[in-house]
Amino acid sequence: KNQVEQSPQSLIILEGKNCTLQCNYTVSPFSNLRWYKQDTGRGPVSLTIMTFSENTKSNGRYTATLDADTKQSSLHITASQLSDSASYICVVSAGSGNTGKLIFGQGTTLQVKP
Amino acid sequence: DARVTQTPRDKVTEMGQEVTMRCQPILGHNTVFWYRQTMMQGLELLAYFRNRAPLDDSGMPKDRFSAEMPDATLATLKIQPSEPRDSAVYFCASAVGGPNQPQHFGDGTRLSIL
Repeated sequence: KNQVEQSPQSLIILEGKNCTLQCNYTVSPFSNLRWYKQDTGRGPVSLTIMTFSENTKSNGRYTATLDADTKQSSLHITASQLSDSASYICVVSAGSGNTGKLIFGQGTTLQVKP
Repeated sequence: DARVTQTPRDKVTEMGQEVTMRCQPILGHNTVFWYRQTMMQGLELLAYFRNRAPLDDSGMPKDRFSAEMPDATLATLKIQPSEPRDSAVYFCASAVGGPNQPQHFGDGTRLSIL
């Protein structure tokens, strides 16, 4: 069964600290893995997209890693800011070309406190 | 920045009423997705269209939900009759190409069925 699991479910950190969010998946055939940030009351916004051959990708203070062998991904946030408070959703695309199917994780809710 | 526009932003109505949600995709995007998000289920894909033709609506309850794309600038999602369990945030996203391509989300329609 195709599945995406994220941990932790929620996280509270102090401003300026780093944190790492985890995503484990059992999806086949794997096409790509994305991390989205969703602010309260807004739609998800793409942070990174990684294909099978990519093992790291950065977007500012966000760095995603992918281990296709262990089927794990992480999202590392450096020097957190209050604006990083949001839900972070891991999405894995199964299939190929224009017929892929998206499998969504339940998200990790991050709260950054001053 | 080009954006996906969804209307209405919020909708409260009574059980049994018809609900119509609208989406204007980003100009030039030929693929439109409809998602539903709840606390319990997270994000779920309901249906998607490419070049205005429905490609996959397997996630959508067929008896009461219908999705159409009357032209390239408008996608609609209708629920008739609505039920309290339909209460959720409904997101539209658009992309160039299929589900494996980057998707741009609107800010959603928050639907409450009383």
